[in-house]
Amino acid sequence: KAGVTQTPRYLIKTRGQQVTLSCSPISGHRSVSWYQQTPGQGLQFLFEYFSETQRNKGNFPGRFSGRQFSNSRSEMNVSTLELGDSALYLCASSLEVGPTDTQYFGPGTRLTVL
Amino acid sequence: GNSVTQMEGPVTLSEEAFLTINCTYTATGYPSLFWYVQYPGEGLQLLLKATKADDKGSNKGFEATYRKETTSFHLEKGSVQVSDSAVYFCALTDAGGTSYGKLTFGQGTILTVHP
Repeated sequence: KAGVTQTPRYLIKTRGQQVTLSCSPISGHRSVSWYQQTPGQGLQFLFEYFSETQRNKGNFPGRFSGRQFSNSRSEMNVSTLELGDSALYLCASSLEVGPTDTQYFGPGTRLTVL
Repeated sequence: GNSVTQMEGPVTLSEEAFLTINCTYTATGYPSLFWYVQYPGEGLQLLLKATKADDKGSNKGFEATYRKETTSFHLEKGSVQVSDSAVYFCALTDAGGTSYGKLTFGQGTILTVHP
């Protein structure tokens, strides 16, 4: 079974631009979560989607948004990029969302904002 | 809110040494606990997990026991290899219904194993 895939793997953008990242979950998984990883803040939860509905959101500004499609694929969008948005963005999928479920991570998208 | 605290790193060991990485947590209710590992340039891989008190998770020679009385989930391995060099993250999910899909991570511990 194929793992979680994320595209693109690397992105370079300039301040003020916007960016869209894509995540394809493991086949059959209905939940997708997004995380931001930076050296200073570590791994921080962005949001979670299940059956096309956002069910949970982390403490990030409204410039960060996402959506999920009927095939469970998910996208996240960051508008008006800032230098501090440079990070590794990780997507994770799970079969269903319960406290014991395991989240399986993709390789991440490395975003650099210049 | 929930939080996870890991021992300060980096940790440097010789091959075949014993490894312990401490992890303590603060959470409401009965969280599930996880250890993830991240190799350079890659995403996170689940190493092991435990979903209730006194459960022991194990995988690839690594073990961790869910200790509710000490709110701890320390990672151990009896004999490390050079290939174990990576960053290790302790994490939890809250049993609360408002925490869908949210893993709370520790800050990560860098492990380097020398031949």
